Amino acid sequence: SAVISQKPSRDICQRGTSLTIQCQVDSQVTMMFWYRQQPGQSLTLIATANQGSEATYESGFVIDKFPISRPNLTFSTLTVSNMSPEDSSIYLCSVAGTNTGRYGYTFGSGTRLTVV
Amino acid sequence: AQSVTQPDIHITVSEGASLELRCNYSYGATPYLFWYVQSPGQGLQLLLKYFSGDTLVQGIKGFEAEFKRSQSSFNLRKPSVHWSDAAEYFCAVGALFGNEKLTFGTGTRLTIIP
Repeated sequence: SAVISQKPSRDICQRGTSLTIQCQVDSQVTMMFWYRQQPGQSLTLIATANQGSEATYESGFVIDKFPISRPNLTFSTLTVSNMSPEDSSIYLCSVAGTNTGRYGYTFGSGTRLTVV
Repeated sequence: AQSVTQPDIHITVSEGASLELRCNYSYGATPYLFWYVQSPGQGLQLLLKYFSGDTLVQGIKGFEAEFKRSQSSFNLRKPSVHWSDAAEYFCAVGALFGNEKLTFGTGTRLTIIP
């Protein structure tokens, strides 16, 4: 299965600033997903990112707050903009696609974000 | 719309005892089902998955799960738990070729007592 490198692993940020999270995959993948896991909660999908097209956002998430780039088939970034303490969460990228086989949906190790 | 229900928020079992974590799903097509485990401060680790074939699937760390289509369930089991199994467990449903998002249940927190 694909191997994902997600950076940074954790960060503490000031409110009002932005953080960009990177997700690098060791093979070409069709779809990439960005999830948020708020403290003590399950995972919620933020958006789906396909190469060469705009990301598709889930209800409750907007591009101005969570802009996503997908410049190629192995890389994506998620930016958390104008952060507030409510954005403190774990952010995870995930990849899927036939080139990961039936055993798709690999997850990165996550970025633990604390906003102060 | 697809959904996953994990009715047990928190389960406590004694070390060496058997374990069953419940998962019910709703999905319009043939489901692709997963169990993930998340230890404190860690990422998600895949325990096992099911798409087709034998309805009893074996995973890592001695876990198994049984798919029951008639009950829309995919319960996770382990015959004898170890203290290191204490973690959060998530059931999820998605599409076979990953062209849809994974939908997660709310998770079950497992506590192991000596």
